[in-house]
Amino acid sequence: DAMVIQNPRYQVTQFGKPVTLSCSQTLNHNVMYWYQQKSSQAPKLLFHYYDKDFNNEADTPDNFQSRRPNTSFCFLDIRSPGLGDAAMYLCATSMRGGRGFVQPQHFGDGTRLSIL
Amino acid sequence: SQQGEEDPQALSIQEGENATMNCSYKTSINNLQWYRQNSGRGLVHLILIRSNEREKHSGRLRVTLDTSKKSSSLLITASRAADTASYFCATAPLSSGSARQLTFGSGTQLTVLP
Repeated sequence: DAMVIQNPRYQVTQFGKPVTLSCSQTLNHNVMYWYQQKSSQAPKLLFHYYDKDFNNEADTPDNFQSRRPNTSFCFLDIRSPGLGDAAMYLCATSMRGGRGFVQPQHFGDGTRLSIL
Repeated sequence: SQQGEEDPQALSIQEGENATMNCSYKTSINNLQWYRQNSGRGLVHLILIRSNEREKHSGRLRVTLDTSKKSSSLLITASRAADTASYFCATAPLSSGSARQLTFGSGTQLTVLP
């Protein structure tokens, strides 16, 4: 089945120690998104790629970086995690809609990041 | 700031009852989407309603959209314990960028008691 896969499901890192979260998709979608979701809150968009075109949200901290080496994979790098970065990180994909139409997004099951 | 705000924040009902959740938003939209999120899982797309539609059905789901009031509602009929989850509305403003990203509301936590 076509899907969005995030690894690992749970990640523990130390304060200040770089960490990378990964996302892969078999949907062949041209847009990939990274969201941060804290407990009982809405997902907050960090950035997205349309093909290789990177789009950063204005309020995404510089501590967060992303790479998309090919259509199928996208990575979220947190350079120096702080306690406030503990959250669920969700990857999603979609196809860019024509004539301004916004397509539904397909989500992975997320990586829950804990900071010690 | 959140594009969508949902009401109520939490809803608890008995199995078999209907559940209604409301979403309000601020700017003109391309379409409005509803998603479900089970605890500890990713979001799952439920239904999409276009800005020129007023009502849409999918199984036990009924969505309405009132663009003049900038509001939408999601009705789940004959609820089941398996419907227990958080429900989010998501809007895409007409002026969004090349990838037309969504902005999610604050969500309604639905609990269906057996």
